[in-house]
Amino acid sequence: ETGVTQSPTHLIKTRGQQVTLRCSSQSGHNTVSWYQQALGQGPQFIFQYYREEENGRGNFPPRFSGLQFPNYSSELNVNALELDDSALYLCASSYDAGGTYEQYFGPGTRLTVT
Amino acid sequence: AQSVSQHNHHVILSEAASLELGCNYSYGGTVNLFWYVQYPGQHLQLLLKYFSGDPLVKGIKGFEAEFIKSKFSFNLRKPSVQWSDTAEYFCAVRNQAGTALIFGKGTTLSVSS
Repeated sequence: ETGVTQSPTHLIKTRGQQVTLRCSSQSGHNTVSWYQQALGQGPQFIFQYYREEENGRGNFPPRFSGLQFPNYSSELNVNALELDDSALYLCASSYDAGGTYEQYFGPGTRLTVT
Repeated sequence: AQSVSQHNHHVILSEAASLELGCNYSYGGTVNLFWYVQYPGQHLQLLLKYFSGDPLVKGIKGFEAEFIKSKFSFNLRKPSVQWSDTAEYFCAVRNQAGTALIFGKGTTLSVSS
């Protein structure tokens, strides 16, 4: 069984640029959630995608957007990058969107904005 | 808004010492609670979870946690830590909508051999 994978591993961008991060969910999982983990902090929920639709969103501005594809893989897009966007971005997949399903995390993408 | 507090930022223990990491959550209704661990260089892994039933929950690697509703607490315990338990530990609660995990800031555990 393949776990959650994310690409790229590391990324360096300049303020004002745009970035796309990618996530492949674990086999059999139809729900993907994205989290931002700043240095020294716990992960913060950005949004969740369930069957290609946004299914919940945290306190992040609209320049954070996402997509989920028919194979349940997902993208996180961030426009107009700011220095504070520097963080580890985590993707988590689960079997379904219901409250009892465990979320399995990927290794993350480390984004540095200069 | 729901929140999770982890009061210990950094805990340093010797091998074989007992461990208790504190976690308090803010929501008073039905809660789903989790402890995750992040070993150096690895991704977040689930240690244990509580949904309902027995408030004493046993997880992997000898960890357990006790849900005390009256105290809004879900503390993590291990009777005897090992050097390999060195990691960052996160307590989390599922949000009311059931879509997200709300994490605490984490506790770094350093175990010396």
